[in-house]
Amino acid sequence: EAQVTQNPRYLITVTGKKLTVTCSQNMNHEYMSWYRQDPGLGLRQIYYSMNVEVTDKGDVPEGYKVSRKEKRNFPLILESPSPNQTSLYFCASKRQGLALSNQPQHFGDGTRLSIL
Amino acid sequence: DAKTTQPTSMDCAEGRAANLPCNHSTISGNEYVYWYRQIHSQGPQYIIHGLKNNETNEMASLIITEDRKSSTLILPHATLRDTAVYYCIASLGGTSYGKLTFGQGTILTVHP
Repeated sequence: EAQVTQNPRYLITVTGKKLTVTCSQNMNHEYMSWYRQDPGLGLRQIYYSMNVEVTDKGDVPEGYKVSRKEKRNFPLILESPSPNQTSLYFCASKRQGLALSNQPQHFGDGTRLSIL
Repeated sequence: DAKTTQPTSMDCAEGRAANLPCNHSTISGNEYVYWYRQIHSQGPQYIIHGLKNNETNEMASLIITEDRKSSTLILPHATLRDTAVYYCIASLGGTSYGKLTFGQGTILTVHP
């Protein structure tokens, strides 16, 4: 089954303790992206990646890092989490290429992070 | 991406068609109209998208006006499981680096 898988689904942790949220897709998609969703603010893009070893900042990248060493994986790293990063996070992927620029994004089921 | 405007909420009776409107009066010629929905904090689910022509798939139909300033998503036979927040997005797709700008959407409630 084609899917985007995020882990963990839920995490409660404390300020300053480094954490990584993994994202994996099995559709051989070039493009992957991370969003966060907060009440009243909608989904906001954190980082995106057009392909392996190609990443760039979205609208709210501060406090986050990403890497794209393999096509299928796009982990989100919080080096020193803070309470304002408490949020619902979504990973997404899509096929990419000039002729495929209008392809829809496929989203994971989300990761709910609580930073105390 | 062009700004979109949707009603805050709508109701629909089960088994009836749900028609969700979206206004995108400033849409540019190469921006697509995408519809996604989100069921209770799950990941957004792609429904349908189009550029100029009307589109239909197994989930829904998309009607885009000739001037492309508005569109309507049609769920032909709504069920209780279609209760969700529906987002209409106007996006350049790949040339905007894939970013989707989700607004507040329309809360669709399907009742028995």
